[in-house]
Amino acid sequence: RKEVEQDPGPFNVPEGATVAFNCTYSNSASQSFFWYRQDCRKEPKLLMSVYSSGNEDGRFTAQLNRASQYISLLIRDSKLSDSATYLCVVNPNTGNQFYFGTGTSLTVIP
Amino acid sequence: GAVVSQHPSRVICKSGTSVKIECRSLDFQATTMFWYRQFPKQSLMLMATSNEGSKATYEQGVEKDKFLINHASLTLSTLTVTSAHPEDSSFYICSATNKRAAFFGQGTRLTVV
Repeated sequence: RKEVEQDPGPFNVPEGATVAFNCTYSNSASQSFFWYRQDCRKEPKLLMSVYSSGNEDGRFTAQLNRASQYISLLIRDSKLSDSATYLCVVNPNTGNQFYFGTGTSLTVIP
Repeated sequence: GAVVSQHPSRVICKSGTSVKIECRSLDFQATTMFWYRQFPKQSLMLMATSNEGSKATYEQGVEKDKFLINHASLTLSTLTVTSAHPEDSSFYICSATNKRAAFFGQGTRLTVV
């Protein structure tokens, strides 16, 4: 079983829509969780960390469900500029290695 | 500013030559760095884990003699693609972590002609 699994999509949504991505992780002892964004032909960049209590940054909300071992990312009022691949990242705290999901592709359509 | 710097960003080389890619952590010391490869429209694939002062750990299917990794200091890891072939053309990205998050270099787009 993979450390981190994501639905690759693609998700094609109209501008202004709300879209949610889920990601599951296999190691129940994992401590740190993140969402990264990768634009085409660029390196991944940290979008937000995911805290146990959930956290919100503008139109983006991240949630952690430890019981079901998944994290989610909600994007409200989608903008064209949100089009990218969103990577779920987990640090199981067994070392410095971070495990990446395959990414979920989002395209926001005018 | 950049936390991890990767150089060069783009390189075109002839088949059979070797290419060296540098990855530097700028704000922290990284005992471990990671090298990834990404083909068009595919996900990041971990190639190897670079350990400062010791041998790199390679993922299954990655040839250690072809992809030479040197991590001689706490801020620098290098990946050398030896005897490059057109099928090695890809986007190579390095990463360093400081336990708070993983930071990526800008990536190197390698084209072998």
